[in-house]
Amino acid sequence: DVKVTQSSRYLVKRTGEKVFLECVQDMDHENMFWYRQDPGLGLRLIYFSYDVKMKEKGDIPEGYSVSREKKERFSLILESASTNQTSMYLCASTGVNNQPQHFGDGTRLSIL
Amino acid sequence: RKEVEQDPGPFNVPEGATVAFNCTYSNSASQSFFWYRQDCRKEPKLLMSVYSSGNEDGRFTAQLNRASQYISLLIRDSKLSDSATYLCVVTFSGYSTLTFGKGTMLLVSP
Repeated sequence: DVKVTQSSRYLVKRTGEKVFLECVQDMDHENMFWYRQDPGLGLRLIYFSYDVKMKEKGDIPEGYSVSREKKERFSLILESASTNQTSMYLCASTGVNNQPQHFGDGTRLSIL
Repeated sequence: RKEVEQDPGPFNVPEGATVAFNCTYSNSASQSFFWYRQDCRKEPKLLMSVYSSGNEDGRFTAQLNRASQYISLLIRDSKLSDSATYLCVVTFSGYSTLTFGKGTMLLVSP
């Protein structure tokens, strides 16, 4: 079974802080993704990566950056957290294009 | 623009009922199709892939209609545990990204 692990289930931070969300997968997948999910808006893609050190913007990259230094790890960074970044953040991975993605448990992030 | 549309529901059905959801997609170049299930405050989990010839997995049947650009999910003999949000997901040729619908909520009552 694919295992995608996110570092925190719940996180509370303050406005202006730099926030790191970590994601690790154990299946040697090339592709990794970060989404946020908000009521009524569904899943929205923030960034994705198809290889080490490679990254691509998704639909809503503003206010975020990512890092992929190792194949198994994909980090999402909120450079200066704002209250409108309070959300559920989901990491996913897949090995091959056009195949289903496997999700981590999610991180509920609250920015106060 | 890549779009996937679903009726948000909720669909309220009694145990044992048969219920069907449809999902339409706008891009005819869509390549692969999936149904995911998401329980409240949990991550989405793959329910089943959708094949051109249609496919069945126990009480669940998925159908694809490329000409009309929609996919469907049929659930027979609904269980209380089927209560969840069902996400329609589409991929496009050559892309690793998925396009998600906003989901259809199903509530099965005793």
